[in-house]
Amino acid sequence: DTEVTQTPKHLVMGMTNKKSLKCEQHMGHRAMYWYKQKAKKPPELMFVYSYEKLSINESVPSRFSPECPNSSLLNLHLHALQPEDSALYLCASSQDDFSGPFANTGELFFGEGSRLTVL
Amino acid sequence: QQPVQSPQAVILREGEDAVINCSSSKALYSVHWYRQKHGEAPVFLMILLKGGEQKGHEKISASFNEKKQQSSLYLTASQLSYSGTYFCGIRGGAGSYQLTFGKGTKLSVIP
Repeated sequence: DTEVTQTPKHLVMGMTNKKSLKCEQHMGHRAMYWYKQKAKKPPELMFVYSYEKLSINESVPSRFSPECPNSSLLNLHLHALQPEDSALYLCASSQDDFSGPFANTGELFFGEGSRLTVL
Repeated sequence: QQPVQSPQAVILREGEDAVINCSSSKALYSVHWYRQKHGEAPVFLMILLKGGEQKGHEKISASFNEKKQQSSLYLTASQLSYSGTYFCGIRGGAGSYQLTFGKGTKLSVIP
């Protein structure tokens, strides 16, 4: 199984709503990522979890709250979002078997994304 | 720091070749290449881990010049299926999980 599964595929929410995006992988990967992608732009890193601990937070506003309940699951909780937060949210995972300067260089496996629209 | 990709866009006829470049102002430990088709997720193409390393996947290959802090992706005898946006990604440093993508190169292959 080499899939990263994201749900929902599409989400429309108002600025006062609370919703969550979910991501699941069963490849035994210990690093999981959230990226945000606007149209015609590259994916932008938001968060990285390594061994279920938050490893990187790229100065993301607190209205986005990540959670890693276990090594296979990654959630992104959304609250009081703004229309400019509308984007494709991509989850990814990677496995890194190296050490030294080449540690954590494994390829990223991306899910199909959750397309979020904030009204 | 975001790598710089060039060109921003390229249009090819089937069978033609293309080169996409990726450069960084900081030392590179690894370079990733991904392709994203419209409406789909990025798909991994290859990783280059060492300076001077070259890899190939069918008619797509890449090189990594550590000294020049750059990588190039070579697409030969392009096919319609090669169309998409190509991103290079670089890690934030030795052992870093941070992977930052360049702005992308849009490749269009026409019959």
